[in-house]
Amino acid sequence: DAKTTQPNSMESNEEEPVHLPCNHSTISGTDYIHWYRQLPSQGPEYVIHGLTSNVNNRMASLAIAEDRKSSTLILHRATLRDAAVYYCILPHTGNQFYFGTGTSLTVIP
Amino acid sequence: NAGVTQTPKFQVLKTGQSMTLQCAQDMNHEYMSWYRQDPGMGLRLIHYSVGAGITDQGEVPNGYNVSRSTTEDFPLRLLSAAPSQTSVYFCASSYSTGDYGYTFGSGTRLTVV
Repeated sequence: DAKTTQPNSMESNEEEPVHLPCNHSTISGTDYIHWYRQLPSQGPEYVIHGLTSNVNNRMASLAIAEDRKSSTLILHRATLRDAAVYYCILPHTGNQFYFGTGTSLTVIP
Repeated sequence: NAGVTQTPKFQVLKTGQSMTLQCAQDMNHEYMSWYRQDPGMGLRLIHYSVGAGITDQGEVPNGYNVSRSTTEDFPLRLLSAAPSQTSVYFCASSYSTGDYGYTFGSGTRLTVV
């Protein structure tokens, strides 16, 4: 099963774009890339997912490298409510999600 | 549509006591999972189920039992609580393919004294 690597922490100024990277060099051709975030004292919540093409939704954009060995979650305008731990996940066999330590995003007012 | 419902929200146990954490979903999801999250850490998979009657172990299964008699319910049993099991427990459910993500419950905060 493929593994992911993310920076432990990142900072962003409020109302500026944020690019959260994830490396997954051992990804297989059928692995979806999922992003979740966990706000303080809450359960994880879905952000976005994709397979090959870049994806957009109301929360964020997902940019997937052409070789699929890395991806970037893009928050277009960070707000204080976006301060959270962001997890990049590749499902294991049987669509099981294994969470790493994620990236802790601090948004500076 | 309630999503994933976990009960109780908070629980204090004495060492050696047993209890069951309840998890129910109303989305007809085949897959259900239990995670624990210790302070400052990521989520770790305890047990999971890919359908009624089928369960399997995750990363940290010791000290926990599960069963899946219906599609909707996936209870987690602590056999003999230990202080090391003090954690926040999350239940999650999903459809069966990699194109679907998981919906998480709001968690149960368990303290073992």
